[in-house]
Amino acid sequence: GAGVSQTPSNKVTEKGKYVELRCDPISGHTALYWYRQSLGQGPEFLIYFQGTGAADDSGLPNDRFFAVRPEGSVSTLKIQRTERGDSAVYLCASSPPGARPGANVLTFGAGSRLTVL
Amino acid sequence: AQSVSQHNHHVILSEAASLELGCNYSYGGTVNLFWYVQYPGQHLQLLLKYFSGDPLVKGIKGFEAEFIKSKFSFNLRKPSVQWSDTAEYFCAVNAQTGANNLFFGTGTRLTVIP
Repeated sequence: GAGVSQTPSNKVTEKGKYVELRCDPISGHTALYWYRQSLGQGPEFLIYFQGTGAADDSGLPNDRFFAVRPEGSVSTLKIQRTERGDSAVYLCASSPPGARPGANVLTFGAGSRLTVL
Repeated sequence: AQSVSQHNHHVILSEAASLELGCNYSYGGTVNLFWYVQYPGQHLQLLLKYFSGDPLVKGIKGFEAEFIKSKFSFNLRKPSVQWSDTAEYFCAVNAQTGANNLFFGTGTRLTVIP
């Protein structure tokens, strides 16, 4: 597609529920990133995929968070047993292949705003 | 690990005023540096980037930034701001070796008064 698409744009859930957030990257972009942005903060890295595999998941805060990218395109961020502290905007970004390490320019989606009541 | 500091949390300027937003990073190795902008109601967009070469980089909409290695700084500048520059500005850094993930600062909110 023309840009990075994220659904849903808004999600309200109750504490303890399970949530899935979807990201559809730019066609041909092999790298995909998930970030979380809390109010008044900058985006915080969660996980990075190169193709189908998670190249770096060091930013996932705990084992309630999990992400997959089974076919190397669309990715789903899964949050189990949601807590009020999980409320944030979850951002997805993608970047094209081939650039030297760190030189990729990320294109961000509009984000999914998660509110846990 | 890398970290980024943006000391100005909220800057208010009148139109035509000059802008400088501070960004300092901490990392001992070679870095790539970025400024992203988020206009109200829109997603994060790249404003400019520095990978290597001329430390003065020019971006879109008349913005520029200067990489000063000795000061670990990458300040953003614009000689004359416009009302449409009202937005949140984020500085970001990553290492030139290793993972591709960006480390962002907390952002600076710029309000330009017409």
